[in-house]
Amino acid sequence: DAGVIQSPRHEVTEMGQEVTLRCKPISGHNSLFWYRQTMMRGLELLIYFNNNVPIDDSGMPEDRFSAKMPNASFSTLKIQPSEPRDSAVYFCASSLMGQVTYNEQFFGPGTRLTVL
Amino acid sequence: QQQVKQSPQSLIVQKGGISIINCAYENTAFDYFPWYQQFPGKGPALLIAIRPDVSEKKEGRFTISFNKSAKQFSLHIMDSQPGDSATYFCAARAGANNLFFGTGTRLTVIP
Repeated sequence: DAGVIQSPRHEVTEMGQEVTLRCKPISGHNSLFWYRQTMMRGLELLIYFNNNVPIDDSGMPEDRFSAKMPNASFSTLKIQPSEPRDSAVYFCASSLMGQVTYNEQFFGPGTRLTVL
Repeated sequence: QQQVKQSPQSLIVQKGGISIINCAYENTAFDYFPWYQQFPGKGPALLIAIRPDVSEKKEGRFTISFNKSAKQFSLHIMDSQPGDSATYFCAARAGANNLFFGTGTRLTVIP
């Protein structure tokens, strides 16, 4: 298995532009997570989906951020309009979540976003 | 509000020494405590995990010590090696819910 796939790996954009980050989870996994990592705030959960349904989006910073999961093999995180403070590494992770199992989250390689 | 508090923020250890990273939590509903290891430019990866029904779990040079009454758990890296230099995150989860991560510890092992 190729693991969690994220694209692009690096994104440089100007303030005000729309940014779309993409994620392909591991086949068969039913949960998908979007995280943001910065030096100041560490690893923050933005939103997670279970069976393609958003379960908890309380970590989404503001209305400029939106996430979708149209099917089990694809998710997007969109920032519109982007701001310099959105500069961070964004990780996608997937897992096979169950009530009695303690399955690990598998992280993708991340997308390093720089907003100028 | 940080659900899981991690310390120290950074740690420098000589090769062959013991690295110790500590975490504390308040939510007694947490029932799964993993540690993740992250190398520069990579995503975090599961290193070792423990459930609260045991006080210690060892995998090779890595050991988790768990103190349920104190609501604390720690990672011990024995015989630390330069290749262990990475950022380590503790985490906690209640049931099938999402993980809450600590703020991370940057470990540097000096040859």
